[in-house]
Amino acid sequence: SQKIEQNSEALNIQEGKTATLTCNYTNYSPAYLQWYRQDPGRGPVFLLLIRENEKEKRKERLKVTFDTTLKQSLFHITASQPADSATYLCALETGGYSTLTFGKGTMLLVSP
Amino acid sequence: DAGVTQSPTHLIKTRGQQVTLRCSPKSGHDTVSWYQQALGQGPQFIFQYYEEEERQRGNFPDRFSGHQFPNYSSELNVNALLLGDSALYLCASSPTDNEQFFGPGTRLTVL
Repeated sequence: SQKIEQNSEALNIQEGKTATLTCNYTNYSPAYLQWYRQDPGRGPVFLLLIRENEKEKRKERLKVTFDTTLKQSLFHITASQPADSATYLCALETGGYSTLTFGKGTMLLVSP
Repeated sequence: DAGVTQSPTHLIKTRGQQVTLRCSPKSGHDTVSWYQQALGQGPQFIFQYYEEEERQRGNFPDRFSGHQFPNYSSELNVNALLLGDSALYLCASSPTDNEQFFGPGTRLTVL
């Protein structure tokens, strides 16, 4: 069956450290993968998109890797700050026309 | 430039009732998608509208229907509400087949 799995437990880290979140999927062949941030009671906010032929993408303190052989994406936030605390969602393009299938998300808590 | 807007913010209905949720896409965006997000879950794709037609549909029953107007705004209708329909309903718009811009959502509670 098709699955998208993200760290089920919340990730607690100290300010200044690098947070690494994992997204694994099975039985999908997405053309691209996206990461979103979601704060409580709000809609997701787009962060990064990485295509199947790209290995790595960076944007300021954010870095995403995409390994289509392992069927895994890693999302890194360097020099993390308490303001980075949120739920981070992994989403795969599955079905054309930019329709997305989301993972459950990983809650990140950055302590001062 | 206003982003994606949704109305109402919150809604309480009882089982068996019908509900209509509304969405205005970001300026210049012609594609609108609807998602359902249950508590503790990721958003689940309901359907997508483009040029006033339903272009893609997720695994949702026919009780869920929609519409897109010439100005690209959209409505989501849910008939015969069930307790399990309680969720955050998200609208997203996009200019092309890439990133999606999400609205704040409508929180629907079915009693």
